[in-house]
Amino acid sequence: DQQVKQNSPSLSVQEGRISILNCDYTNSMFDYFLWYKKYPAEGPTFLISISSIKDKNEDGRFTVFLNKSAKHLSLHIVPSQPGDSAVYFCAASVTGTASKLTFGTGTRLQVTL
Amino acid sequence: DAEITQSPRHKITETGRQVTLACHQTWNHNNMFWYRQDLGHGLRLIHYSYGVQDTNKGEVSDGYSVSRSNTEDLPLTLESAASSQTSVYFCASSVSRGSEAFFGQGTRLTVV
Repeated sequence: DQQVKQNSPSLSVQEGRISILNCDYTNSMFDYFLWYKKYPAEGPTFLISISSIKDKNEDGRFTVFLNKSAKHLSLHIVPSQPGDSAVYFCAASVTGTASKLTFGTGTRLQVTL
Repeated sequence: DAEITQSPRHKITETGRQVTLACHQTWNHNNMFWYRQDLGHGLRLIHYSYGVQDTNKGEVSDGYSVSRSNTEDLPLTLESAASSQTSVYFCASSVSRGSEAFFGQGTRLTVV
């Protein structure tokens, strides 16, 4: 049973446009959410996180939105750049469980010129 | 620079063999984790440790074991390798509970 779902396996966006990656979760105990970015043959790297007490967190070109009632979060990348082409994983945890993360299946983002 | 390293990067082994994957971090993080990545599943937690002598089972721990004798290392052992354990394995560490984890570069294990 997949508790964190990324229903779009892939996404293609033109350079300069907005990329929106979506994530849904089913476990209401999750209260801390993260996005990781992964390039081929490398480990995931932390991108941005959000606590359930917030509905938005921004870091440069990256913004994460959380809708607790819908159990949905999204990652916005504006503007998209070719170097953003990677697989993006949504992850969730329960605070106090030491980054014991439950990951989604990932969305492959391709930013085209 | 502090880092987290995994070895080997690639390994081919035979069914039934015992295999140990190494993970070493120099951040002095208390928390360490092992995940496996498979198509259609994302990353799944195998085992984790909150400190020396502490180990805990994750979501997919059957057939795996870990030990934590010091802060820096968390080796992952496959007691009797099976083809279903062919996967990419990632080690990670974090400084505190609830903080983001930093991942190693991964070990690609093939069981034939």
